[in-house]
Amino acid sequence: DADVTQTPRNRITKTGKRIMLECSQTKGHDRMYWYRQDPGLGLQLIYYSFDVKDINKGEISDGYSVSRQAQAKFSLSLESAIPNQTALYFCATSDPGQGTTGELFFGEGSRLTVL
Amino acid sequence: AQSVTQLGSHVSVSEGALVLLRCNYSSSVPPYLFWYVQYPNQGLQLLLKYTSAATLVKGINDFEAEFKKSETSFHLTKPSAHMSDAAEYFCAVSSNQAGTALIFGKGTTLSVSS
Repeated sequence: DADVTQTPRNRITKTGKRIMLECSQTKGHDRMYWYRQDPGLGLQLIYYSFDVKDINKGEISDGYSVSRQAQAKFSLSLESAIPNQTALYFCATSDPGQGTTGELFFGEGSRLTVL
Repeated sequence: AQSVTQLGSHVSVSEGALVLLRCNYSSSVPPYLFWYVQYPNQGLQLLLKYTSAATLVKGINDFEAEFKKSETSFHLTKPSAHMSDAAEYFCAVSSNQAGTALIFGKGTTLSVSS
């Protein structure tokens, strides 16, 4: 089983619908992240959380919200999806023991298409 | 604020040729620098990282990168390309400041021809 699991892996939805992408991890890491990948734009940070009570906005948080339900779970929500939110979304974790030099461990991605 | 610029969205090399992927960074504080690789339909995995120790960093699969402060660069090289190196490569930056998260460049797609 993967250490960082994202569900769903693929989702097609319509404009205006609420969507939740879920991430769970078995690595025991406190730090979790949501990134968005678009062709030619690389990865952009949406939100990150350094522990259950800590939530921070990233580069492109508008139109997104997150919930850190437990150390192992970090979900990303699109309250009212729009077509330009069509992208590949990655969840990642890191070990706080290594501070900001720590390696990020990525899930396999969730491909979201908004029609 | 921190940022990275990857020069060249696509690089093509022949098998056995030198691989050079360019990355320049901007940071107001001493940076930590990373290279990640993404194979098709997969997440990213770490190739190597610079965290203020040796300026020449060796990573997996014979990749290496050199931190050059005067040039604000962290270019990735490999002496001899393999077909299996075809992938997308991302440079990323963070720092030792509390609360810093990793910021990625736009990526460079490496193609390897036989």
